[in-house]
Amino acid sequence: GQQVMQIPQYQHVQEGEDFTTYCNSSTTLSNIQWYKQRPGGHPVFLIQLVKSGEVKKQKRLTFQFGEAKKNSSLHITATQTTDVGTYFCARSGGSNYKLTFGKGTLLTVNP
Amino acid sequence: NAGVTQTPKFQVLKTGQSMTLQCAQDMNHEYMSWYRQDPGMGLRLIHYSVGAGITDQGEVPNGYNVSRSTTEDFPLRLLSAAPSQTSVYFCASSGTGFLAKNIQYFGAGTRLSVL
Repeated sequence: GQQVMQIPQYQHVQEGEDFTTYCNSSTTLSNIQWYKQRPGGHPVFLIQLVKSGEVKKQKRLTFQFGEAKKNSSLHITATQTTDVGTYFCARSGGSNYKLTFGKGTLLTVNP
Repeated sequence: NAGVTQTPKFQVLKTGQSMTLQCAQDMNHEYMSWYRQDPGMGLRLIHYSVGAGITDQGEVPNGYNVSRSTTEDFPLRLLSAAPSQTSVYFCASSGTGFLAKNIQYFGAGTRLSVL
């Protein structure tokens, strides 16, 4: 199937450390989305990547799309306690509407 | 602007009972979906709709029915609740367009327990 694999499943960091989560696919992605879900909350859209090798930044968050469009990463510089949550990547089905989500990476931050 | 509204927020059912989870959006979005979220499983697509009158199955459709009579509403029906349906259910919507349809807006979720 058109799955996306996320690693790691869990990551615990000290506040101020950097954090990276990876999303990998065995097939080429037409685009990829990243979402964040705070504990007890609902997923919130962060960004969509479309172009090969694309890099986008949102303050301390850097998103990359691989050159072969088979992987993506989310990097957080100098984590803060507000970064706690689960980060999901999602891929679209191309011409159809279905989105397939990865299982997510749960980030916890020790203050 | 309310966005995506789900009701109820919490529900406890007995095995075999039926119920409907409500979802409404006020953004005039064509695309709507239902997901369930279980620990360690991420978000799994149950059913989705690309417009009023059009629905299709997702990854885990068994035991659930949907209909889409209006653009705004997309209810999810549990026909005969089972303990395996204990989960958190999220409704989401998105607009039209090749890229816009991938940007999903989620409701706050319904936490369902089936005893």
